[in-house]
Amino acid sequence: GAGVSQSPSNKVTEKGKDVELRCDPISGHTALYWYRQSLGQGLEFLIYFQGNSAPDKSGLPSDRFSAERTGGSVSTLTIQRTQQEDSAVYLCASSPGHRSSYEQYFGPGTRLTVT
Amino acid sequence: GEDVEQSLFLSVREGDSSVINCTYTDSSSTYLYWYKQEPGAGLQLLTYIFSNMDMKQDQRLTVLLNKKDKHLSLRIADTQTGDSAIYFCAESIRGRRALTFGSGTRLQVQP
Repeated sequence: GAGVSQSPSNKVTEKGKDVELRCDPISGHTALYWYRQSLGQGLEFLIYFQGNSAPDKSGLPSDRFSAERTGGSVSTLTIQRTQQEDSAVYLCASSPGHRSSYEQYFGPGTRLTVT
Repeated sequence: GEDVEQSLFLSVREGDSSVINCTYTDSSSTYLYWYKQEPGAGLQLLTYIFSNMDMKQDQRLTVLLNKKDKHLSLRIADTQTGDSAIYFCAESIRGRRALTFGSGTRLQVQP
């Protein structure tokens, strides 16, 4: 079946602009995660959604970062007033979400470059 | 606190076995994972092991877990050039669904 998809695959933006990154999880997966992969910091957790519960935002690096998940499916990660240090690959993952299944399946990522 | 460590680089010859090692610090780890990342691609889940298991085998992959030493390894039998990639070890801990990743081990397979 279809895996996790993300769009755009690449995004170049000017410092100070806002960007939106999209994630379509695997159909039926109730849990959705955003991670960031950068050279200096490795893979970092950003935010986690599970069903209708309040999201775990503990990994968001600043209040310029926000995410929402509409209808329990598609998610959008928004970065306001982008800075050069926001340049990274943003990875989305989904998992079935029930107690017995912890595997996370990743999308191909969005490479963000802030100039 | 959470900390997952891996060696940065491993080079093997085609046909040999590869062993990639990982250590973690959090004793409340529930699951431990191995992911593979090829250039320009996302993370592919290879295998995972529950923390009360010692070993898991899946075709050419063998995962060994030493819970006492908090040491995890991934053995790839009969390594092929297509196995060249970065391999990430990751853990999830009780009460937290987010994964903590190691820095990745780059596996280079020489023909």
